[in-house]
Amino acid sequence: GAGVSQSPSNKVTEKGKDVELRCDPISGHTALYWYRQSLGQGLEFLIYFQGNSAPDKSGLPSDRFSAERTGGSVSTLTIQRTQQEDSAVYLCASSGDRANQPQHFGDGTRLSIL
Amino acid sequence: AQKITQTQPGMFVQEKEAVTLDCTYDTSDPSYGLFWYKQPSSGEMIFLIYQGSYDQQNATEGRYSLNFQKARKSANLVISASQLGDSAMYFCAMREGRNTGNQFYFGTGTSLTVIP
Repeated sequence: GAGVSQSPSNKVTEKGKDVELRCDPISGHTALYWYRQSLGQGLEFLIYFQGNSAPDKSGLPSDRFSAERTGGSVSTLTIQRTQQEDSAVYLCASSGDRANQPQHFGDGTRLSIL
Repeated sequence: AQKITQTQPGMFVQEKEAVTLDCTYDTSDPSYGLFWYKQPSSGEMIFLIYQGSYDQQNATEGRYSLNFQKARKSANLVISASQLGDSAMYFCAMREGRNTGNQFYFGTGTSLTVIP
């Protein structure tokens, strides 16, 4: 597709369950980013992948959060043993490999923990 | 210190008037890029405008322009002839360094409401 694709668009799950969120970046983009956004708030950085380099995981809020990027393309963000405070919109973005290129965002996954 | 500071949580502007959204940044890197994004209530993040640290002229994109004052480390977004559809959250962001794929830093955003 032409843009960043995220799935599912909405996810409702019970507290304690594991969830997987998927991001398919723009073809050819080497950088991929995950953010979390609570209602009416700004973007909270989670993790960043750049090419084959080790990811920057400095924003992951706890060890229940992990992410991988397979083959330098699709990324999966996994939240284990979900808590109610994990409820938010999870946004994925990708960018090209020049510093003047902006991030392009997906439409997000709205996660609700009951 | 915050990399990006947006001091206006909320702004109001009359339709057809111009409005300036403030953004200051903090970096010791001589090479950096500044970006503005719009997030309507529908949630998508829309890239608006880019300014490079070495650009001699202020960036413009249609009704959007960037008032870049390098010495003051400010990169304010100016929206001319405001429209009702401009009501949204606006985020300022910075990307440091000449190297590819460096981290983006976002401000906390400004909520703009255009009044008919």
